[in-house]
Amino acid sequence: GQNIDQPTEMTATEGAIVQINCTYQTSGFNGLFWYQQHAGEAPTFLSYNVLDGLEEKGRFSSFLSRSKGYSYLLLKELQMKDSASYLCAPAEDSNYQLIWGAGTKLIIKP
Amino acid sequence: SQTIHQWPATLVQPVGSPLSLECTVEGTSNPNLYWYRQAAGRGLQLLFYSVGIGQISSEVPQNLSASRPQDRQFILSSKKLLLSDSGFYLCAWSLTGYTQPQHFGDGTRLSIL
Repeated sequence: GQNIDQPTEMTATEGAIVQINCTYQTSGFNGLFWYQQHAGEAPTFLSYNVLDGLEEKGRFSSFLSRSKGYSYLLLKELQMKDSASYLCAPAEDSNYQLIWGAGTKLIIKP
Repeated sequence: SQTIHQWPATLVQPVGSPLSLECTVEGTSNPNLYWYRQAAGRGLQLLFYSVGIGQISSEVPQNLSASRPQDRQFILSSKKLLLSDSGFYLCAWSLTGYTQPQHFGDGTRLSIL
């Protein structure tokens, strides 16, 4: 079956580093996407991983381990504007579908 | 560059009334198009997707329907809204291929009274 597991909520301090974990189970796999969604807004694309390892993009990095069904999003030098939900979405290998988790709500405190 | 337009931003409709939400994409040809619904505090639920004009795949049986009358136009409709149809509706597009990210419109917040 399909299953996505992310923490429901996390709190971090401005300027710090936070790691948001995601474990997944899918019948097929064609990579994993991370999206950011501010409250009341649409999701915006952050990163895509299909090979094992770390992809760095500015303050944000994403890691994937296919054998473990595990990914994380690493946010450095946290800013108040990073307060948002972060959605982990693996891609199954059919029908162009993403499997969406409920997301992790990240709260940044000054 | 590509842009996606979705309207209206908010909509309040009585139970039993019809619905039409429209989405258009600019700057690309033959995109994949998607309609999602998001309930408060929940993940995205895929409702429909389309890989070409007139090609619609439905993921969830319900009283909603979708149409793609033109290459870059995607319409979500209902003949008779239910209270359970309330939610945040999102249109998205992607280039063809499994590794292409989906890009979302601003969404429509639909309230059924």
